[in-house]
Amino acid sequence: AQSVTQLDSQVPVFEEAPVELRCNYSSSVSVYLFWYVQYPNQGLQLLLKYLSGSTLVKGINGFEAEFNKSQTSFHLRKPSVHISDTAEYFCAVRGLNFGNEKLTFGTGTRLTIIP
Amino acid sequence: DTGVSQNPRHKITKRGQNVTFRCDPISEHNRLYWYRQTLGQGPEFLTYFQNEAQLEKSRLLSDRFSAERPKGSFSTLEIQRTEQGDSAMYLCASSFTRGVSETQYFGPGTRLLVL
Repeated sequence: AQSVTQLDSQVPVFEEAPVELRCNYSSSVSVYLFWYVQYPNQGLQLLLKYLSGSTLVKGINGFEAEFNKSQTSFHLRKPSVHISDTAEYFCAVRGLNFGNEKLTFGTGTRLTIIP
Repeated sequence: DTGVSQNPRHKITKRGQNVTFRCDPISEHNRLYWYRQTLGQGPEFLTYFQNEAQLEKSRLLSDRFSAERPKGSFSTLEIQRTEQGDSAMYLCASSFTRGVSETQYFGPGTRLLVL
């Protein structure tokens, strides 16, 4: 079984400032990691994913995340945020093996950009 | 590629009524997932299909819930004798399996309100 912790439920950031959204996970098996974004009244859109290889993963809209196996973390970063980044961000994990495909999500971080 | 679609987008019903939601996956995606998202929480896994076979059901899926995917195309999720606790956003996702590496693409969701 896996679990995901997003410690920050809300993060306010000034426009053009950098941001980091934290994600820690727990799993007894190796995992794939994902960040999804949810705009108001919409479904989830994939931002980026880590499957294997380089631990620094680049995604859409200028976001990137770094996988740290020793710290079981997958923090999301953006060097300069824009008003349009205001949304809810979810970190998710799934196991590698067949039969372990369902995603386990964190409770989300609401990112608010202050003009 | 038109994306995952869900209908209806919103549903208001009275306690005790039955409701049915439909999900149309991305064409040729062989896997289809249902998740439920309550206010302030991340999505929680309900069930998933590979083609027409239902491979896993969460303990969250009580006997009042049933899902089908006839012919391995669209899927329906029915809730019988709805309760106020069923009020949530119901999300559908689809994916194409290449080994165990896959990305789930989400629809816009169906928001259910049980009065």
